[in-house]
Amino acid sequence: NAGVMQNPRHLVRRRGQEARLRCSPMKGHSHVYWYRQLPEEGLKFMVYLQKENIIDESGMPKERFSAEFPKEGPSILRIQQVVRGDSAAYFCASSLTRLAKTYNEQFFGPGTRLTVL
Amino acid sequence: DAKTTQPNSMESNEEEPVHLPCNHSTISGTDYIHWYRQLPSQGPEYVIHGLTSNVNNRMASLAIAEDRKSSTLILHRATLRDAAVYYCILRPTIKAAGNKLTFGGGTRVLVKP
Repeated sequence: NAGVMQNPRHLVRRRGQEARLRCSPMKGHSHVYWYRQLPEEGLKFMVYLQKENIIDESGMPKERFSAEFPKEGPSILRIQQVVRGDSAAYFCASSLTRLAKTYNEQFFGPGTRLTVL
Repeated sequence: DAKTTQPNSMESNEEEPVHLPCNHSTISGTDYIHWYRQLPSQGPEYVIHGLTSNVNNRMASLAIAEDRKSSTLILHRATLRDAAVYYCILRPTIKAAGNKLTFGGGTRVLVKP
């Protein structure tokens, strides 16, 4: 059973370009989470999605960032018109169920390291 | 989310136990205590979790204080591969609270050969 897969592992963009980060959850997982880790900082929650639905986007910047998790295919985190401050490691995690009473471990991918020149 | 407090860093010798403390004095009765760790250049990985009773698994043990205001993650025999940042996280069980993990600064563990 393959783990959470993210690609690309490294992405370089110039200011003003778009960045697309992909996440394939573990087989059978229908819940996806995106976290961002700025240099020398801790991980910050961005968004939580279930198939075709955004459940919690309280950590998403209000502009330029969007996320989707279509019925078919990977989850996509999209950053439009990137700026240097977007340089960070972006981690995706997946879990089996969101039922709060049942603990559901989040499995993390290896991350995408975005560098904005 | 309830806040946790951890030391910034700890050092240990290889093959010796490591005790990582976590204070969570504002924990509510429905909060689970979770531990994740992040090895260098990798994504976080689950270590262990508990509610009230002490817990053991193949990776570590979790000792929870009787009043639940603190807990300790115990690595029984540290190896060089255990060098990582260890995060203590509280997760509410209330459904409406959602499922996100709130990471603090964690404890950076250095294992010396």
